[in-house]
Amino acid sequence: GDSVTQMEGPVTLSEEAFLTINCTYTATGYPSLFWYVQYPGEGLQLLLKATKADDKGSNKGFEATYRKETTSFHLEKGSVQVSDSAVYFCALQRGDSSYKLIFGSGTRLLVRP
Amino acid sequence: KAGVTQTPRYLIKTRGQQVTLSCSPISGHRSVSWYQQTPGQGLQFLFEYFSETQRNKGNFPGRFSGRQFSNSRSEMNVSTLELGDSALYLCASSLAGTVDGYTFGSGTRLTVV
Repeated sequence: GDSVTQMEGPVTLSEEAFLTINCTYTATGYPSLFWYVQYPGEGLQLLLKATKADDKGSNKGFEATYRKETTSFHLEKGSVQVSDSAVYFCALQRGDSSYKLIFGSGTRLLVRP
Repeated sequence: KAGVTQTPRYLIKTRGQQVTLSCSPISGHRSVSWYQQTPGQGLQFLFEYFSETQRNKGNFPGRFSGRQFSNSRSEMNVSTLELGDSALYLCASSLAGTVDGYTFGSGTRLTVV
């Protein structure tokens, strides 16, 4: 079945460091791919998305490119801030008979001043 | 524009009781999904409703049920609560169950004692 695999956390970085969180997926067809972020005590916020191969999603300095050949959707940011500390979830969604989101296990990011 | 509203935010119930959680989607959104989030299992899909019809259901026992009303508001019910039902329950809505992802509410934190 469909699945999403994320790198284990926590990821601890200093402010202004470069961030990469790896995400790979297994799915039939051409799913849409998403990154969601969850701050403490809150629900999930959509960070960025890509709906077809080679699409690049971007928002708030974060970027991810839909790579069909490597079935990956890695999240990157050039310079992280303390306020980026949160849990990041990679997810896929197929548009056939089911619109459910399938999530990875989440990666906790901690940014130190 | 109001977001997805979930009530109550926190709930404490005793084993064996039942509970009803409520979700008001973004105005105009017709698709509502529910997810359970636990530290051990991560984010798991419960069910999805579109125009008052359950379109998909996850792998949860029959104690978990839901419904959607004509105004798109949704409720989920858990009967005969077990300790393992303690979780954050997240509701998400989208315009028409598209592959553009969902907007999530802040969740209801259910604790079963």
